[in-house]
Amino acid sequence: GQNIDQPTEMTATEGAIVQINCTYQTSGFNGLFWYQQHAGEAPTFLSYNVLDGLEEKGRFSSFLSRSKGYSYLLLKELQMKDSASYLCALNTGFQKLVFGTGTRLLVSP
Amino acid sequence: DVKVTQSSRYLVKRTGEKVFLECVQDMDHENMFWYRQDPGLGLRLIYFSYDVKMKEKGDIPEGYSVSREKKERFSLILESASTNQTSMYLCASSSPGQGAFTYEQYFGPGTRLTVT
Repeated sequence: GQNIDQPTEMTATEGAIVQINCTYQTSGFNGLFWYQQHAGEAPTFLSYNVLDGLEEKGRFSSFLSRSKGYSYLLLKELQMKDSASYLCALNTGFQKLVFGTGTRLLVSP
Repeated sequence: DVKVTQSSRYLVKRTGEKVFLECVQDMDHENMFWYRQDPGLGLRLIYFSYDVKMKEKGDIPEGYSVSREKKERFSLILESASTNQTSMYLCASSSPGQGAFTYEQYFGPGTRLTVT
């Protein structure tokens, strides 16, 4: 099976940088997704890491270390609209995803 | 622009009723998924389908069944609704991947089901 851990809640200030961690224990996986979910809305795709290293997409970057069993999502130049839940999910094969419980990020002025 | 729609945003049913949740996608995706989302438990996979008339159990299939008669439509059925099935239900679809590469899933807006 898989076990995925994320902090429940984080707070940060507008304009700051925040790192949301995701640690996991699994027997194997193909890659790791990050999704953003605003309250009452559908999750939307942010990034997918297959190989170790950093993937950068504008203000958002995602990092994966298979040997250390963790990933992080880095959000720069935080904006109020970044207040949302951030979900990490393991692709365990055949398009099946196993999600963590999500991290709720609160951005204050 | 991918669109995944679900038949209802809010639904209230009584214990023992048969409940149908419908999901339609307009991007000709082969893969479709049903999840439920509960506070503190995250998104959990109920059933998924790779193609018409195909279905696979996810992590929590007990008490549910599915139907996929057409490629664009995937239905979740609660044969006899119970109070512990009160939850947010999310449908998703995706294109098939190859090996480790996989396409992202596109989610519908969700149906908040309350069973009383």
